Amino acid sequence: GQQLNQSPQSMFIQEGEDVSMNCTSSSIFNTWLWYKQDPGEGPVLLIALYKAGELTSNGRLTAQFGITRKDSFLNISASIPSDVGIYFCAGQYNAGNNRKLIWGLGTSLAVNP
Amino acid sequence: KAGVTQTPRYLIKTRGQQVTLSCSPISGHRSVSWYQQTPGQGLQFLFEYFSETQRNKGNFPGRFSGRQFSNSRSEMNVSTLELGDSALYLCASGLAEGSTGELFFGEGSRLTVL
Repeated sequence: GQQLNQSPQSMFIQEGEDVSMNCTSSSIFNTWLWYKQDPGEGPVLLIALYKAGELTSNGRLTAQFGITRKDSFLNISASIPSDVGIYFCAGQYNAGNNRKLIWGLGTSLAVNP
Repeated sequence: KAGVTQTPRYLIKTRGQQVTLSCSPISGHRSVSWYQQTPGQGLQFLFEYFSETQRNKGNFPGRFSGRQFSNSRSEMNVSTLELGDSALYLCASGLAEGSTGELFFGEGSRLTVL
């Protein structure tokens, strides 16, 4: 079945550093999405990508839909303490008449002020 | 605009009991999905409902069931609880049918099974 490999599993960085995380798969996806989950909350959508090669920014966040449609990355520039949380990638693909969503296992980010 | 509301937020049950969790989606959203989240396992898809019909189902045993009402509110039920059912259960609402991916999550219901 479809699987997403999200890395790294966790990161511990200093405030002000840039962060990069990615998701890869052996399968093709139509949409890539990045979510962030704060402690005690549900995930919140950060960026959605719909076309291969698409590069989208949301403030200090930048995400790209890989050309092969099998991967995506998320960059966070100049990290701040409120960036702490778990970041999830998700890929959407067509399965017959259905659209399905597959989730990575998350990247846990800790920021040292 | 009110967000996704899940009740209860926290609950404790014992093995063998059953539990019902409730989710009210964002007004106007007709799609409701349920996920189980446990440490190390990420978000595991349970099922999706749209217009009162189950559209997608994950790989969970029949003890896990759900339904959606005409006002788009949804409930999920877990019968004969097991220790491994302890998890955060997240509900997500969306405008469109079929897991477009743009989901709005509630804060979750944290279930502890003793």
